[in-house]
Amino acid sequence: DVKVTQSSRYLVKRTGEKVFLECVQDMDHENMFWYRQDPGLGLRLIYFSYDVKMKEKGDIPEGYSVSREKKERFSLILESASTNQTSMYLCASSPGPSGGYTFGSGTRLTVV
Amino acid sequence: SQQGEEDPQALSIQEGENATMNCSYKTSINNLQWYRQNSGRGLVHLILIRSNEREKHSGRLRVTLDTSKKSSSLLITASRAADTASYFCATGLGRLYFGRGTQLTVWP
Repeated sequence: DVKVTQSSRYLVKRTGEKVFLECVQDMDHENMFWYRQDPGLGLRLIYFSYDVKMKEKGDIPEGYSVSREKKERFSLILESASTNQTSMYLCASSPGPSGGYTFGSGTRLTVV
Repeated sequence: SQQGEEDPQALSIQEGENATMNCSYKTSINNLQWYRQNSGRGLVHLILIRSNEREKHSGRLRVTLDTSKKSSSLLITASRAADTASYFCATGLGRLYFGRGTQLTVWP
């Protein structure tokens, strides 16, 4: 079964820590995405990537960076975690510009 | 904003009834997609309808698209308790824009 795997379901980090959220897909998809989901705000795109070593800013990139060294892995980095980054983080991949997304199960991050 | 907007925000029905959710969007589209999200989980792709299609079926799901009105509807027939979830429409080429979703509750 094709899959997008996020490394952690739940994560608790302290303010100021550097946080890595990992996402791996086994579908040889070109495109990968990181969203955050907050009540009342829906899904907001943080960063996306159309190819290895390539990244594009989404709607809310501030405070985040990403890394895509290999096609199957797309990492989201919180450079210095803050409490307003407490959220559900969703990784997704797609085969091309018109394809449906396959989502991971999500990582619920709490920053204390 | 290219974001789709679902209507209603919440819908509560009994098992066996049909559930209809609507989506409106603002810009021209290449396709429109519907997703389901069970509580606390990732989204699951349900169906994609292209801009030159008017209707599409998948099992108990029926999606319609009216590009002249910039709207789509998702119909779930003979709903089950397991259909309880949030449903999102999404549009975009490459990157998708999601609405805020319709929370569907199906009571046994």
